[in-house]
Amino acid sequence: DSGVTQTPKHLITATGQRVTLRCSPRSGDLSVYWYQQSLDQGLQFLIQYYNGEERAKGNILERFSAQQFPDLHSELNLSSLELGDSALYFCASSANGGETYEQYFGPGTRLTVT
Amino acid sequence: QKEVEQDPGPLSVPEGAIVSLNCTYSNSAFQYFMWYRQYSRKGPELLMYTYSSGNKEDGRFTAQVDKSSKYISLFIRDSQPSDSATYLCAMSAYNTDKLIFGTGTRLQVFP
Repeated sequence: DSGVTQTPKHLITATGQRVTLRCSPRSGDLSVYWYQQSLDQGLQFLIQYYNGEERAKGNILERFSAQQFPDLHSELNLSSLELGDSALYFCASSANGGETYEQYFGPGTRLTVT
Repeated sequence: QKEVEQDPGPLSVPEGAIVSLNCTYSNSAFQYFMWYRQYSRKGPELLMYTYSSGNKEDGRFTAQVDKSSKYISLFIRDSQPSDSATYLCAMSAYNTDKLIFGTGTRLQVFP
């Protein structure tokens, strides 16, 4: 168990809908990262937050957004969902963000868009 | 061309074999190299972490980095059926937390 928690485990929704994925980092970790894992693309970095502020952006679509709250948990919002958004979404956390490269992953949320 | 290339496998070996997993990369700025293990329907788990070139050993696992060849390896000695998983390499440049992952190699160790 990495100490990173994600909810929900599974999510099934229809095209055009909006969903919110939630992540709680390991105790004491300030950085949260979001990744998308699909069969054809592998694990893709989406976005990073450090202590409440956006720190780095990867291949995140404009329909997707994220935020990190004062208690350090993070939410990833996916809107106008398309079939191609079906994937595993992972959250990871690390201690300082920039001083350590050891990211610890949560169990993931499996999103199915029908 | 992807920044990180990794043979997807599957790689099937008998129990007790030595396993060699490899990644190549194109970005010479990469300084930090990691190996993650991912069991089916689980999150990736950090196995090994090395900085720059050289070797690092942890139990049955050895990570090697050859920056001159832009090539990293993970060796698993005395492989066990419980090692059956997908192994992902990941790397990042100095002063950035952005990890670039390989697509993963699926390993099967049969009794």
